[in-house]
Formats: sequence, structure tokens, C-alpha cells
Amino acid sequence: DAGVTQSPTHLIKTRGQHVTLRCSPISGHKSVSWYQQVLGQGPQFIFQYYEKEERGRGNFPDRFSARQFPNYSSELNVNALLLGDSALYLCASSLPTAEETQYFGPGTRLLVL
Amino acid sequence: KQEVTQIPAALSVPEGENLVLNCSFTDSAIYNLQWFRQDPGKGLTSLLLIQSSQREQTSGRLNASLDKSSGRSTLYIAASQPGDSATYLCASQAGTALIFGKGTTLSVSS
Repeated sequence: DAGVTQSPTHLIKTRGQHVTLRCSPISGHKSVSWYQQVLGQGPQFIFQYYEKEERGRGNFPDRFSARQFPNYSSELNVNALLLGDSALYLCASSLPTAEETQYFGPGTRLLVL
Repeated sequence: KQEVTQIPAALSVPEGENLVLNCSFTDSAIYNLQWFRQDPGKGLTSLLLIQSSQREQTSGRLNASLDKSSGRSTLYIAASQPGDSATYLCASQAGTALIFGKGTTLSVSS
């Protein structure tokens, strides 16, 4: 079975641009979460979606938005990129109950110049 | 606000040594505590998940314990190998978000 997949693997943007990151969950998983990991830090929670509804939001500015599609895949959008948005963006999927393990994808490495 | 701390930040050991990684959290009202492994530049691999009602979980050479009353979890790695070299992250879950520590970077020399 395929794990969580993310695209693209790497990308380079300049300040002020917009970026869209994509995530496909494990088959059967209906919950998708997004995390940002800055170098040397642990991942920080951005969003969680379940059944296309936002179920949780971390402490990130409104420049960050996300959505979930009927096939449970998800997009993370970041507007007006700042240098500080350079990070590894991780997607995780899980079964909907709170006690379930979250399975992470390989991440998208974003560099903002 | 939940805070998760991992000590030490880095650890170097010779092959074959048994070792313990520590994780502490400030809010004991958690659903579960998870340990992950991260190789450089890669995503996270789930190692063990301990439910709030459990005391420990084991998988192969790994054993994780949870003491909610003291806000502590430990990851015990037996007979370490060079392939165990990676960053180990613990994360508590209460609600929708996982709250991560900064990780312990382990280096096992042959």
C-alpha cells in the first residue's frame, strides 16, 4: 500500500510569491494534517482537515490556507511568501479518531529567496 | 499551553550500547504520546504510540514508557546500531494537533 505522498519534493520561490503544496493520504484515511518544520526545530501544527472541514488550526497567519477535496487529498496554500516561510512542510494522514497514529509523508522542502 | 522538551539535544554512543532518550510535557491531559524517527531531510517515521491509559509499548529493540503523572516519557533503545543514527522526536496529542519536542539527534558509531 502506498503511504502518504506529497508534491513537489522541492521548490524555490521568491518573496511575495504564492505557493501550493499537495498531499495524498493513505487509502482509507479521511483526516489530513499539515505541519511546518523549520531547520533544527520540531514540526509545528498548521491545519487539520476531516471530511473537507477544518477541524483544527495552529498559530499561523491568514496567509496560510488549506482545503481538502472529496477524494481526501489536500492542498496547502501560502500567499505573500516571506523568507521565514522556508521550511519542510509535512503532511500527515490518520483515521478520524483522536487516538490514532498519524502517518507522515516525505515532505516538501520550500526555499524562499 | 502544552510544551514538550527533549533531553539531551544530541547523543553519541558506540555501537552495542543501550540508551535512553527523555521527553517531558507540561500538560498531562493527553490522548497519547508518540515517538518518531526522522532521517536528515526526510519525513517522520512513527515508531511507537502509547495511549494515555497505557504505561509502555514495545517494538523490537525499542521500548517506550509513559508516566502521565510526572509528565514524562522515555524511549529505550537496546543494543544500538549505526543504522539507528537519526533524530528522534516525541509528540503529545490532546485535540487535533501533535505538539512536538525539538528532538534528540542520535549518532551511533561502529
